[in-house]
Amino acid sequence: ETGVTQTPRHLVMGMTNKKSLKCEQHLGHNAMYWYKQSAKKPLELMFVYSLEERVENNSVPSRFSPECPNSSHLFLHLHTLQPEDSALYLCASSQVTDSYEQYFGPGTRLTVT
Amino acid sequence: AQSVTQPDIHITVSEGASLELRCNYSYGATPYLFWYVQSPGQGLQLLLKYFSGDTLVQGIKGFEAEFKRSQSSFNLRKPSVHWSDAAEYFCAVAPGSGGYNKLIFGAGTRLAVHP
Repeated sequence: ETGVTQTPRHLVMGMTNKKSLKCEQHLGHNAMYWYKQSAKKPLELMFVYSLEERVENNSVPSRFSPECPNSSHLFLHLHTLQPEDSALYLCASSQVTDSYEQYFGPGTRLTVT
Repeated sequence: AQSVTQPDIHITVSEGASLELRCNYSYGATPYLFWYVQSPGQGLQLLLKYFSGDTLVQGIKGFEAEFKRSQSSFNLRKPSVHWSDAAEYFCAVAPGSGGYNKLIFGAGTRLAVHP
C-alpha cells in the first residue's frame, strides 16, 4: 500500500450505531488531519494531530471522537450521529516542516439514516 | 482572518480550449499557496504549490499558476484542456508560520469539459 488509505470507503449507519473510520499513511509523515466535505460547502478541518498530539479541534461535536495511536494511524469514532453528518470524510497527512503539503486519502462516504 | 475566494462555482470549456480558474486570498503576509484537484469519488491531489521565488509555477498534468502579489491572486491555467481534466479544483492557502500545516481551502470550482 502506498500513500494514504482510508477504510471503509462507504458506510451507512443509523443514528444509534457506533462505528469507526480508519486512516493509515505510508509516507512517514508525523501530522494527520480529518476533514469533512459536505455538498456545496468548503472543506472543514475537524481535527489535527501533530507528533501524535491533538493540536486542533475545530468546535466539532462530541459525537465525533478522534484517536491517533501512532504517527501512521488515525481513527474517527462515531456515535449517535445526525443525518446532517452525512458527508465525505477525508484524511490527510503531512510532514511537520515548512513544506505544508498535505496528502489526502480517497475518503469515506458516510450516510446517516 | 485568512480566507480564500474562488469566484467561479462552475466553469464549462470545450476540449482543447484554454482554461483559467481564479483564486484570491486574504492574508497579511505572503502565504504558501496551493491548487488541488478532486476527481469524483476521490480524495484531493496536489497539482502545484507556490512558496517563494519565481511567481509562475509549473505543476502536474500540464497546469501552471501565477502568483500576483498586487492582486492577491493565484490563478490556475492550462493552455489546452483534456476531457480527463473534468473535476473539482480547490485553491488553498497556508499561513507559512511553521509548525503543523494548516490549510484553508476555497469553496472549489467544478470544471466540465465539452467534447
